[in-house]
Amino acid sequence: GAVVSQHPSWVICKSGTSVKIECRSLDFQATTMFWYRQFPKQSLMLMATSNEGSKATYEQGVEKDKFLINHASLTLSTLTVTSAHPEDSSFYICSASIGWDTQYFGPGTRLTVL
Amino acid sequence: TQLLEQSPQFLSIQEGENLTVYCNSSSVFSSLQWYRQEPGEGPVLLVTVVTGGEVKKLKRLTFQFGDARKDSSLHITAAQTGDTGLYLCAGSNFGNEKLTFGTGTRLTIIP
Repeated sequence: GAVVSQHPSWVICKSGTSVKIECRSLDFQATTMFWYRQFPKQSLMLMATSNEGSKATYEQGVEKDKFLINHASLTLSTLTVTSAHPEDSSFYICSASIGWDTQYFGPGTRLTVL
Repeated sequence: TQLLEQSPQFLSIQEGENLTVYCNSSSVFSSLQWYRQEPGEGPVLLVTVVTGGEVKKLKRLTFQFGDARKDSSLHITAAQTGDTGLYLCAGSNFGNEKLTFGTGTRLTIIP
């Protein structure tokens, strides 16, 4: 149980285009999902907290107009990288929480912006 | 801001050896989790510890939560090549679902 999926697993796009990444909890409902960014050989950096039915809460320094988050249902959250540029290239990981101390992570999405 | 420092940052040892990874903070956490992440994949939860002084074992892995709930350790006995990966500790506090991740320890087991 507690499986989280992400789609796509990797994406290559041209600079200036927008990319949407989906995060789904497959066998449980999650009122809260999280989006992380991970640079090579580094730990995870929390970008935002996504709550079902309400606006996402962004961490300091994360541009909310660039990284649009929608949590339309208890099993789906989406992250849209708008007007992507090469510096947005990264590994994006989502997680879904079960309770206050446990998160299950998706397999990640590697974004490459040319 | 709560920070979690892991040491060592990198560790490369021979198969069969033992090792310990540390996760330290100046802040108290209600619980602490350990994850392992392989390249190109998301972190996989190994264990959650919630009680000060708690020790949990998962086959050859032993996890300990410090008495003051500010630190934790992961000990691997007789390391195997399959243990290779990025080990991450993460702390959380009751009532706040956010996780604070440690800086990570990249472990390589040499056959």
